[in-house]
Amino acid sequence: AQSVTQLDSQVPVFEEAPVELRCNYSSSVSVYLFWYVQYPNQGLQLLLKYLSGSTLVKGINGFEAEFNKSQTSFHLRKPSVHISDTAEYFCAVSYNAGNNRKLIWGLGTSLAVNP
Amino acid sequence: SAVISQKPSRDICQRGTSLTIQCQVDSQVTMMFWYRQQPGQSLTLIATANQGSEATYESGFVIDKFPISRPNLTFSTLTVSNMSPEDSSIYLCSVERFGELNTEAFFGQGTRLTVV
Repeated sequence: AQSVTQLDSQVPVFEEAPVELRCNYSSSVSVYLFWYVQYPNQGLQLLLKYLSGSTLVKGINGFEAEFNKSQTSFHLRKPSVHISDTAEYFCAVSYNAGNNRKLIWGLGTSLAVNP
Repeated sequence: SAVISQKPSRDICQRGTSLTIQCQVDSQVTMMFWYRQQPGQSLTLIATANQGSEATYESGFVIDKFPISRPNLTFSTLTVSNMSPEDSSIYLCSVERFGELNTEAFFGQGTRLTVV
């Protein structure tokens, strides 16, 4: 069975500090990997995704993530965070299930950027 | 890409009543997905709605409680029936685009439901 684990439920950080939000997955089939962001009182927005090719993926708002197949990880990073990055971040995995693709979600990491 | 309009954006409802949430997509899609996001939790898939057939419900969700309509390829509704405070949640409509070079899920803004 496939699963997604976000290792930190909450990450407090000071403004302009670097941040890493961790995501590990388990799957017996090939997967696509995603990070979504949910700002307060808003819907979900795609930050970045890994489908194939280069394992280092750059997304919006200065975020990047690296797909590590041997460690089954897809950690999200930003070298310098802003107050406006305060949000809930979700890691998701997409895989083939019969004739459909399934999308499963991590529990989310709440990033709180403090001045 | 896909632009999804979902309404209402929020509502406060009395227990025992029902609320219908509408989801409109700006392009034709085969499948539409309905999620629930309970306070402080991740997304849980309620059901997948295909045009012209009954929705497929995930474990723990039943049609009597969450009836879904899918009258055409751009529109779907989710009804939360006989509501109780435990149904207070954010309900999200989603579509997905899959391809060899591009795949992504798109979401509506969500409906924030409070049952009192």
